[in-house]
Amino acid sequence: DIQMTQSPSTLSASVGDRVTITCRASQSISIWLAWYQQKPGKAPKLLIFKASSLENGVPSRFSGRGSGTEFTLTISSLQPDDFATYYCQQYDTRSVTFGQGTKLEIK
Amino acid sequence: EVQLVESGGGLVQPGGSLRVSCEASGFTFSSYEMDWVRQAPGKGLEWVSYISSSGSSLDYADSVKGRFTISRDNAKNSLYLQMNSLRGEDTAVYYCVRDRGWGLPLDYWGQGTLVTVSS
Repeated sequence: DIQMTQSPSTLSASVGDRVTITCRASQSISIWLAWYQQKPGKAPKLLIFKASSLENGVPSRFSGRGSGTEFTLTISSLQPDDFATYYCQQYDTRSVTFGQGTKLEIK
Repeated sequence: EVQLVESGGGLVQPGGSLRVSCEASGFTFSSYEMDWVRQAPGKGLEWVSYISSSGSSLDYADSVKGRFTISRDNAKNSLYLQMNSLRGEDTAVYYCVRDRGWGLPLDYWGQGTLVTVSS
C-alpha cells in the first residue's frame, strides 16, 4: 500500500494567516491526490483533486500544488470556517489511502 | 442534490454480523463506482471497499478481506456492506462514498453510520 504522511499533525493559526499543509507519498502518485476538510461529527468534504484542481464551490483561498511524492495544501487567508481537520488522499491505486490528518486550530 | 444516506449501524458482539446500507439519490447511481470508508472514533480515515458501477469488480482492504462483502442493487439505488466475524477494531463510523472513477476522486460522502463491536 502507498503510505501518505502529512505534516504537521496540528497547526495553530489565526484568522487571516496563510497556512500550508504538506503531504508526502511513499512512492510516486503522479497528480492523483485529493484534499478533504472534515469538521467534528461531519463527513469529509472534497476541496481539491488532481493535486491542484479546485472542486466546484470551494473558495479560491484554497489551493493545491505538487506532483510525484510531495504535495501541499495552502489556505491563503484563514477564515473562521476553515478551522477543521484536513486529510490528503492518494487515488493512484484503487485501494486509496489517506494521510493521518492535520488539525488546524485557532491560535 | 446528491444524497447518500447510510443505515443499519448499531451495537454487535465480537464475532457477530451486521449489514449496513446506503440509499443514493440525486444522481444516476448505476453510472458511478462506489466505496465504503470508515473512521474509528477519534482516528483518521480508512478505505474499506470498492465496487464498480455494474458490480462486477470488487476490491477490499486487507484488514477486512474475507470478512466483508460489498454489493449493490442499481434498481434500488442502494449500496451494501455485509460485515461478518466482526472485531473490536471494526468499530467505526462507516461512510458510503461516491467514486468518480479512474483519475478522479471520491466526491460525495454520506453522513455515516456508527458500528460498535463490543460485548
